[in-house]
Amino acid sequence: DVKVTQSSRYLVKRTGEKVFLECVQDMDHENMFWYRQDPGLGLRLIYFSYDVKMKEKGDIPEGYSVSREKKERFSLILESASTNQTSMYLCASSLSRGFANEKLFFGSGTQLSVL
Amino acid sequence: DQQVKQNSPSLSVQEGRISILNCDYTNSMFDYFLWYKKYPAEGPTFLISISSIKDKNEDGRFTVFLNKSAKHLSLHIVPSQPGDSAVYFCAAEGSQGNLIFGKGTKLSVKP
Repeated sequence: DVKVTQSSRYLVKRTGEKVFLECVQDMDHENMFWYRQDPGLGLRLIYFSYDVKMKEKGDIPEGYSVSREKKERFSLILESASTNQTSMYLCASSLSRGFANEKLFFGSGTQLSVL
Repeated sequence: DQQVKQNSPSLSVQEGRISILNCDYTNSMFDYFLWYKKYPAEGPTFLISISSIKDKNEDGRFTVFLNKSAKHLSLHIVPSQPGDSAVYFCAAEGSQGNLIFGKGTKLSVKP
């Protein structure tokens, strides 16, 4: 089974702090994604990556950056955390682009609270 | 502008009856759709998918129907069980290979 591991289940940070959310997948997947889930808003794509050192902006990239130095690891960075970034963050991976290969495997999520 | 819409935030169904979750989309270029199920404090898990070359796909108690002309798909769960209580997300594959999700429908199956 594919395993997508997010480093923290719960995280509490202060406004203005730099926050790192780490994600590791163990199935040699090419694609990795960061989503956030908010009540009434569903899952919104922040950033994604199709290869090492590559990144693409999703629908809501403002206030975030990402890093993919190794294929298995995809980090989400909040340069200066703000209260409106309080959310559930979900990392996902998929094998490759293309038909029938976009089944995403999700991690368990990190509930981030910014005070 | 929302490309994938789930207009019912919640649905309550009696155990043993059918659950029908609906999803509409706006982009006629979408040709691959998926349903995900999410329990609280867990990540979403893949449930079932359908491509535009089909109008129905079945997997056990779960069936997805696609009506391309209406840009509408639905997920049927028969019979519904209390363990099916979760949030269900409809998703479409976007032009960049990413998935575009709806806002989700919270299903409650009452014993």
